[in-house]
Amino acid sequence: TQLLEQSPQFLSIQEGENLTVYCNSSSVFSSLQWYRQEPGEGPVLLVTVVTGGEVKKLKRLTFQFGDARKDSSLHITAAQPGDTGLYLCAGAGTNAGKSTFGDGTTLTVKP
Amino acid sequence: KAGVTQTPRYLIKTRGQQVTLSCSPISGHRSVSWYQQTPGQGLQFLFEYFSETQRNKGNFPGRFSGRQFSNSRSEMNVSTLELGDSALYLCASSLGDSPSYEQYFGPGTRLTVT
Repeated sequence: TQLLEQSPQFLSIQEGENLTVYCNSSSVFSSLQWYRQEPGEGPVLLVTVVTGGEVKKLKRLTFQFGDARKDSSLHITAAQPGDTGLYLCAGAGTNAGKSTFGDGTTLTVKP
Repeated sequence: KAGVTQTPRYLIKTRGQQVTLSCSPISGHRSVSWYQQTPGQGLQFLFEYFSETQRNKGNFPGRFSGRQFSNSRSEMNVSTLELGDSALYLCASSLGDSPSYEQYFGPGTRLTVT
């Protein structure tokens, strides 16, 4: 069974601060996705990383896939209240059509 | 391109009843997955349908079932509802045959069992 552990579980910071969220596993994934979910809504896909060591940037968000494709990180620079939400990572393995989701990191950015 | 739609958005049922939820995927997507989300358990995988066949299944009791139609629309059914079935039920669509397996979620159906 492939498991994904996210840390921290909760994060509360002030506007303008930087933060990093981690997603770790002992399993290798063919790809990894990051999603953001707001209360009462479905998760929204932010990015997909596929190659070990890959780094992708989406405005103030930087995503990195570990060299061994077992872990990933999400770094937010100068966080804003609009970044508030639940951040989920999901790994796709060898079983076509099935992703493993982490338990998520709840981020609160205070103005 | 229209996104994933789920109906109904909110539902209140009584213990022992059954419920059917509907999901319309993005046009061209052949895979539909269903998830149960609760505050304590996070996002739990129910099952995935690809081209009208159940391809993957999570660890849920047989009271939870689903199906997919030829137009890729999917339904999920829960029989003999229990209080613990109260949750946000999410469906996600994807191409289904891409190694990156990106999923696009609907807004969810909030089910409350009383």
